[in-house]
Amino acid sequence: AQSVTQPDIHITVSEGASLELRCNYSYGATPYLFWYVQSPGQGLQLLLKYFSGDTLVQGIKGFEAEFKRSQSSFNLRKPSVHWSDAAEYFCAVGPTSGTYKYIFGTGTRLKVLA
Amino acid sequence: GAVVSQHPSWVICKSGTSVKIECRSLDFQATTMFWYRQFPKQSLMLMATSNEGSKATYEQGVEKDKFLINHASLTLSTLTVTSAHPEDSSFYICSSRGGFQETQYFGPGTRLLVL
Repeated sequence: AQSVTQPDIHITVSEGASLELRCNYSYGATPYLFWYVQSPGQGLQLLLKYFSGDTLVQGIKGFEAEFKRSQSSFNLRKPSVHWSDAAEYFCAVGPTSGTYKYIFGTGTRLKVLA
Repeated sequence: GAVVSQHPSWVICKSGTSVKIECRSLDFQATTMFWYRQFPKQSLMLMATSNEGSKATYEQGVEKDKFLINHASLTLSTLTVTSAHPEDSSFYICSSRGGFQETQYFGPGTRLLVL
């Protein structure tokens, strides 16, 4: 069965600390991979995406993610977290053709301590 | 970047009434639009996929007669919640993708409260 797992429901970090949010997927073939961020009461904003090529992708707001095929993972990282990064983060996978329907993870809620 | 709008952002209605939510793709032609529902502190649940000019494809368990979707143009899709009940209260989010794009761009969401 296809699925996306974000094992950490909540993460708390201090401002300025580094951050890593985990995402593992189960899929028939290598899918397209996405990270989105959602602020309270808002829609989802695309942080970054991986389609092919370099397995380390850079996104907006200083985020990056690394695709590891052997581990079926696509972890999101940021070297120094800002208070404004507090939000919900969703990992999603999608097919490379056809319906382009996503499968979302359950999300990780990030809290940033001042 | 790609911008998707939703209107209204907030709606409160009485039980039994119908509510229409609009999703507009402002700067690209959306060949496919998706409608999601999100419960508090949960992930997004895909309700249906709509392609311009054709009928929407509903996910299993979603009542097509209750959640009417119309994708009349390449920039507009509407979701109508018919005969709304309190259990329909939720946050509804649309997304759009255009042409050969693999990326979905999301609207800001519409919060529906049915009294």
